[in-house]
Amino acid sequence: DQQVKQNSPSLSVQEGRISILNCDYTNSMFDYFLWYKKYPAEGPTFLISISSIKDKNEDGRFTVFLNKSAKHLSLHIVPSQPGDSAVYFCAASAGRTGNQFYFGTGTSLTVIP
Amino acid sequence: DAMVIQNPRYQVTQFGKPVTLSCSQTLNHNVMYWYQQKSSQAPKLLFHYYDKDFNNEADTPDNFQSRRPNTSFCFLDIRSPGLGDAAMYLCATSARFTGVTEAFFGQGTRLTVV
Repeated sequence: DQQVKQNSPSLSVQEGRISILNCDYTNSMFDYFLWYKKYPAEGPTFLISISSIKDKNEDGRFTVFLNKSAKHLSLHIVPSQPGDSAVYFCAASAGRTGNQFYFGTGTSLTVIP
Repeated sequence: DAMVIQNPRYQVTQFGKPVTLSCSQTLNHNVMYWYQQKSSQAPKLLFHYYDKDFNNEADTPDNFQSRRPNTSFCFLDIRSPGLGDAAMYLCATSARFTGVTEAFFGQGTRLTVV
């Protein structure tokens, strides 16, 4: 059973606009959430993370928002650039109970110049 | 550069012929993971090592085994590959409980079963 879900397989955005990628989770034990970016034929690379004690974390153009009551997080990219075109994976872990990271199915982002 | 290295990048094996994928890391992380990723699917955790302790996911088939002879190396053994085992296999590391909270991935090994 998929504990981390990304319901949008793909997203297209104009360069300079905001990209919003969404992620939902079901396991209330998850306390740490991450976003990874993946280019074809490469492994995922870490982008940004958020602990469950926060509701927002920013790093440059990337901001992650966490809504614990809704079990929902989102990644905002502002402004979007063509180099941001990649597959974005949401991941979650329950640090108190284990070392595992569980991933969503990914959202393929295309930024149109 | 410190990193996670997977060899080979591409592996072709025959149906039923045992195959081993390797992963090495220079990060000195205590946790190593093996994920299987099929096209358009989420990376699926097969198992992980926390130091020498092996942790198998409940739904990982017995056909998949792993070895971690030391901190730096971890191997994925597929005893009798089937056509359904064709996938990208990703190795990752982390250093949980020592302030490193994300997983670092290698570039993956693309396994083809013929």
